[in-house]
Amino acid sequence: AQKVTQAQTEISVVEKEDVTLDCVYETRDTTYYLFWYKQPPSGELVFLIRRNSFDEQNEISGRYSWNFQKSTSSFNFTITASQVVDSAVYFCALSESYNNNDMRFGAGTRLTVKP
Amino acid sequence: EAQVTQNPRYLITVTGKKLTVTCSQNMNHEYMSWYRQDPGLGLRQIYYSMNVEVTDKGDVPEGYKVSRKEKRNFPLILESPSPNQTSLYFCASSSAGGIHEQYFGPGTRLTVT
Repeated sequence: AQKVTQAQTEISVVEKEDVTLDCVYETRDTTYYLFWYKQPPSGELVFLIRRNSFDEQNEISGRYSWNFQKSTSSFNFTITASQVVDSAVYFCALSESYNNNDMRFGAGTRLTVKP
Repeated sequence: EAQVTQNPRYLITVTGKKLTVTCSQNMNHEYMSWYRQDPGLGLRQIYYSMNVEVTDKGDVPEGYKVSRKEKRNFPLILESPSPNQTSLYFCASSSAGGIHEQYFGPGTRLTVT
């Protein structure tokens, strides 16, 4: 079965620092989908990005960027010039094409950005 | 506004007292799912439904039931709650299972004493 590992349980940075959240995944499928979700202190889950396994282009959205590397089975998330509003728990998730009803989430990384 | 709603948002109950958490979506999504979130474990899938009258177990289905009689609703039923079911529960819906993004409800914090 697929697996997602977010080894960093908690990260604390000072505002304006850059920070990278790691995500390593395991799957036997050749077609799969990777996601990042944000859970701010208010508790809701907010979708950030979706990537399919055939699209290895890195993506940038404002201060957010994602580095997808199939060779290392990683889908890392970088926040540039972090802000206090970035404080949240971030989840990486994976679903496989042959059983796409089963989405596996990592344990999450709690990011605290201090002013 | 596209949304997934859950009720109640907070619930404190006692062991063995049956309860239902409702979930409703207004996006005409075929796929709906329930997750529980526990510290250090992330989100784990309880049950999912691919369409009306089609449901299947996720990773942690023990102690839970679901039904899908209408496309928009997917209630989670705890027939005899136990303290180990104390958790934060999320309902989600998607237009295509795990291929597309899932839209999550606001969460239900359940405490079983």
